[in-house]
Amino acid sequence: DSGVTQTPKHLITATGQRVTLRCSPRSGDLSVYWYQQSLDQGLQFLIQYYNGEERAKGNILERFSAQQFPDLHSELNLSSLELGDSALYFCASSALAVTSTDTQYFGPGTRLTVL
Amino acid sequence: DAKTTQPTSMDCAEGRAANLPCNHSTISGNEYVYWYRQIHSQGPQYIIHGLKNNETNEMASLIITEDRKSSTLILPHATLRDTAVYYCIVRVAGGTSYGKLTFGQGTILTVHP
Repeated sequence: DSGVTQTPKHLITATGQRVTLRCSPRSGDLSVYWYQQSLDQGLQFLIQYYNGEERAKGNILERFSAQQFPDLHSELNLSSLELGDSALYFCASSALAVTSTDTQYFGPGTRLTVL
Repeated sequence: DAKTTQPTSMDCAEGRAANLPCNHSTISGNEYVYWYRQIHSQGPQYIIHGLKNNETNEMASLIITEDRKSSTLILPHATLRDTAVYYCIVRVAGGTSYGKLTFGQGTILTVHP
């Protein structure tokens, strides 16, 4: 158990819909990362937040957005869903302190199926 | 982050040591070598990381060559539960200016009874 929690575990929805994935980082970790894993693209970095602010952006679609709240949990919002958005979505957290080696610890993931 | 090259797949007998190689010939002086594994669609699991010295923890050992252009992850006594995809990642660590982990295709390790 990494200490990172993600809800829900599974999500089945239809094209055009909007969903929200939730992530709670490990206690004390200030940074949250979102990754997408699809069969054809592998594990890809989407976005990073640090203490409530966006820190880095990867290959995140404009239909996707994220935020990190004052209690440090994060939500990934996916809208206008397409079949190709079906994937595993992982959240990771790290301390992101200047003196740390900042290892990222991953949650169990949310499996999104778009029908 | 420097690019890494790993074999696509490897086999290992249960109870034997599994040695997973990784080539990172373009690694920079401030880049660490990280290893993660992913067991069947679970979240990637952190294994170990190192800069230039060999490292050991309860899961594995990491051997980094003196020129730092390659490394080997060693699982000393592989079990069936070690069957997974193993990812070697090179990245800058620490500070406030880094971000993502860049996952390649990894090595599929299959441990046989």
